[in-house]
Amino acid sequence: ETGVTQTPRHLVMGMTNKKSLKCEQHLGHNAMYWYKQSAKKPLELMFVYSLEERVENNSVPSRFSPECPNSSHLFLHLHTLQPEDSALYLCASSQDISTRPSYEQYFGPGTRLTVT
Amino acid sequence: AQKVTQAQTEISVVEKEDVTLDCVYETRDTTYYLFWYKQPPSGELVFLIRRNSFDEQNEISGRYSWNFQKSTSSFNFTITASQVVDSAVYFCALSEGIVKTSYDKVIFGPGTSLSVIP
Repeated sequence: ETGVTQTPRHLVMGMTNKKSLKCEQHLGHNAMYWYKQSAKKPLELMFVYSLEERVENNSVPSRFSPECPNSSHLFLHLHTLQPEDSALYLCASSQDISTRPSYEQYFGPGTRLTVT
Repeated sequence: AQKVTQAQTEISVVEKEDVTLDCVYETRDTTYYLFWYKQPPSGELVFLIRRNSFDEQNEISGRYSWNFQKSTSSFNFTITASQVVDSAVYFCALSEGIVKTSYDKVIFGPGTSLSVIP
């Protein structure tokens, strides 16, 4: 595998289900990100991890729970979601979170989530 | 506050035409970075270019070129001789280079959907 992989690619879940999204990066990067992409809306940053430490929780509801067991893996645990949470969830990684320079991000293909 | 504007929501061109995607940004910082990403129908965003605020040289990569103008706060992207495979959503993004938080937050524009018709 190369780059950033995400599983599953598609997920349909009921509002009472619990599921997890998985992301793995094969680039040796130190930073990982979760984004939400809804129709007609800009990309929304959800969480940022640097060396397994969460450095940003961008006002995300607690029904989304991230986990970063190591710098290569990132999970997003989902429970009691709402229909408005239906979106494309994108994982990304970057070399680091330092600001000089600002590193580009490499994205996975995303998980298309539908909440019924 | 940072802001990225991509005024063109959707553009359609006929194959082999040139097309320019506009990006205008707002920031009060003197050190910042600009990016372009491509999102094909498959979903993943693909990094195209990074530019820092101190480098105003235009860049060309094959059929792609970028025009960075600090005076107008614009970072426009031109595709020459467009092809069907260029059909995608293109995002312009901005990040500040000065530490204000513990990480470098990237703000994405709303995207421009480009359709290249054969």
